[in-house]
This record gives sequence, C-alpha cells and structure tokens, in this order.
Amino acid sequence: ETGVTQSPTHLIKTRGQQVTLRCSSQSGHNTVSWYQQALGQGPQFIFQYYREEENGRGNFPPRFSGLQFPNYSSELNVNALELDDSALYLCASSLDGLEETQYFGPGTRLLVL
Amino acid sequence: AQSVTQLGSHVSVSEGALVLLRCNYSSSVPPYLFWYVQYPNQGLQLLLKYTTGATLVKGINGFEAEFKKSETSFHLTKPSAHMSDAAEYFCAVRTTSGYSTLTFGKGTMLLVSP
Repeated sequence: ETGVTQSPTHLIKTRGQQVTLRCSSQSGHNTVSWYQQALGQGPQFIFQYYREEENGRGNFPPRFSGLQFPNYSSELNVNALELDDSALYLCASSLDGLEETQYFGPGTRLLVL
Repeated sequence: AQSVTQLGSHVSVSEGALVLLRCNYSSSVPPYLFWYVQYPNQGLQLLLKYTTGATLVKGINGFEAEFKKSETSFHLTKPSAHMSDAAEYFCAVRTTSGYSTLTFGKGTMLLVSP
C-alpha cells in the first residue's frame, strides 16, 4: 500500500509569484484535503476535493485554488504569494468525503521572501 | 462549530515518567476525536482515534486516550516516556458540514529528558 506523497519537499518563492504543490493520495482513497501549518501552529483546513470536485473550503482567499485529477492526485495553487503564505502545506487523503480518518503526507515547506 | 484547546504548548518529562497531554474540545455534534504526532520536518502520523463505543482508546507506541463527555476532554497518556516520544502532538476534532475535515489544536511539544 502506497502512502500519501507530496512534491516538492521544499520551495522558495518571492512575493507576487505563483506556486503549485502536488499530492498523490493513498491507494484506494478518493478524497484529498489540504492544510496550511504556520510555524508554531496547528494545521488549518484550506479545502477538500472529492471525486474531482471541491467539496468544502476553509477561511482562505480565492487565490488559493486546487484541482483533483481522475487518478485522485491533487494540486494546490497559490497566486500572488504573500510573506504570510510561508508555511508547511500538508495534504491528507481519505476514503470518501465523510471518512473520519485522514492520512497525511510529509508536507511541502514553502518559504516566501 | 468545533474547536480544540490543548493546555500547555510545551510539556517536559523525564524518561520513564508518565506522559499526560491535555485536550479539551467543543462540538455541537457527537465528536470524533483524534491525536496525531508530528516529528521534526515530517507530516502528521495518526496515534489514535475515538469515534463511538469504548471511551478508552489504545493507539500506537503505547499511547492511549480517554473520551470523557462530561468534561469534554480527550487527554493523551503514556505510562512511561521514551526518548523517541519527543515530538509535537496535535489533538483534532472532526468537523462535519456536508463533508468531513479536521479542526486541530495548536499542538503540545513533548520534551523528554534522560
């Protein structure tokens, strides 16, 4: 069984740039959730994709957007990067939109200068 | 709305001592509760979860947690700390609104000294 993988592991961008982060869900899982974890904080929910549709969204602006592909892998896109976007971005997969257990990937650490 | 409060941003114990990490939750529906552990520069690993049934839940690495509805608590314990337990621990509650996601506490860093 393959776990959740994310790429890249680290990324450095400058303010105003755009970034794309990628996530491959655990085998058999059709739901992907994205979280932002700022330094010293718990993860905060960004949005969730279920069978290629956005299923729910947290309190993040529209410049945070995503996609889910037919193989259930997912992308998180952030436009017009701000310094406060510097964080660890975590992807979690689960079996369906109401499955209680989410399995997390190792994360992508984004630094915005 | 759901929320989680973890008391103590840092907890220090000696190797072999009891570990107690506190978590209190607020939920408008019967809660599903989780503990995750995060080692440095890694993602989150599920330690244990409570959904329904037995209120004492056993997890990996010798950890367990007890759901107490009257106290709205889900404290994490381990009888004897190991050096390898040093990590950050997050308590989370399931948030449901047509879909399921997690609301996390701010985390507790567990420090274990020899």
